[in-house]
Parts: sequence; structure tokens; C-alpha cells
Amino acid sequence: KNQVEQSPQSLIILEGKNCTLQCNYTVSPFSNLRWYKQDTGRGPVSLTIMTFSENTKSNGRYTATLDADTKQSSLHITASQLSDSASYICVPHTDKLIFGTGTRLQVFP
Amino acid sequence: GAGVSQSPSNKVTEKGKDVELRCDPISGHTALYWYRQSLGQGLEFLIYFQGNSAPDKSGLPSDRFSAERTGGSVSTLTIQRTQQEDSAVYLCASSLAPGRPQDTQYFGPGTRLTVL
Repeated sequence: KNQVEQSPQSLIILEGKNCTLQCNYTVSPFSNLRWYKQDTGRGPVSLTIMTFSENTKSNGRYTATLDADTKQSSLHITASQLSDSASYICVPHTDKLIFGTGTRLQVFP
Repeated sequence: GAGVSQSPSNKVTEKGKDVELRCDPISGHTALYWYRQSLGQGLEFLIYFQGNSAPDKSGLPSDRFSAERTGGSVSTLTIQRTQQEDSAVYLCASSLAPGRPQDTQYFGPGTRLTVL
């Protein structure tokens, strides 16, 4: 059964601090893994896409890692900003996208 | 258009009524997807269109749900005899090249459906 587990469920940090979000997945077959950012009341927006052979990919202050052997991924946010407050969703791709429930991040000044 | 648009943004209906949700994908995107997001849950796949055909409708939860796409563009998701458990945000996405690993789905803002 395809499963995606994200941790923590929610996180509060101060502006300027770094944080790392975790994702464990069980999907078969595995094609690639994406991280999406979803602001409240909006649709998800793609941050990164990593294929099986990629270990890390950056998009500005966002850096995603992937360990396809252990089926783990992380999303690191550097120097957080208030606008980073959102849900971050881990999405492995088999024949379709499998969405995790997300980590709700709140950045306070 | 600049992005995927959906209408209405909010819909409140009474149990038992039918509703239609509309999605306008990005111009030129051949693939279109419908998802449902219930409170506190991840996005749940409903149906996928390639052009006007729906090769994967495995996520439709019951025969009360149907969708069509015309002209390779606009899609309508119809829910008949709505139930309270249908209350959710319905999201539409489109993409250019669904067969490629780097293909990106672009999401609309969603339609929030509330069934009283």
C-alpha cells in the first residue's frame, strides 16, 4: 500500500531560524519525489522534483534531500521568512502523485 | 491564462442537491487532474484527463461523482445527490507533459464545497 508519513505534523519557529521537515514513504514503483508548498486557501505549488538518482536539490532557501534506499526525504528551509508559513507536502510519484498530509509551518517574528 | 482557475471559489449546498465545479487549465496543457482535500487530510486523487479522455478515474469515490472535459480544455466535476461527507476543497491541476518524470502539475486555488 502506498503510504507517506511526514513529521512533525506542525512546527513553530522564529523568523531567521532554519528548520528541517521529514518524510518517509512507501510507494511502488518509485518514479520521483516532489515537495509542494501550500499556502492557506491556495493550491499547492511545486518546490522541488527529485528523481531516483538525485540526492539533493535546491530552490533558493529550500533544499530537499532524497535517500531512495531508505525511502526518506527531507526539506530544509534556511533563514526562514514570515512568508514561509504554509503547509509543506511530500509527494512521491508512482503512476500518480501520492500526497502526504503535510507539515504545517508557522514562522513568527 | 496566467494559471489554473476554478469556479466557484466557494459553494454551499443542501444535502441531496447536485453541484458542478469548473476548472480552466493553463492553455496548452493536455493533462488535467481533479483532487479532493478534506480537512486535515492529504490530497486525494479523483480523476485524470489526457485530452478529453479519462484514462484514470480510479479515484472517484462513488457513482455520484462524474467529470468531463471538452475541447481539451475546460473540465467540469459533477457531484449528484451531495452528502455531508462530500464537504471538502476540490482542487484542479493541469500539466504539459504527463509522461515525463519532471512534469509539474500546476494547481488552481480550489473550490470549497460545504454540504449542509
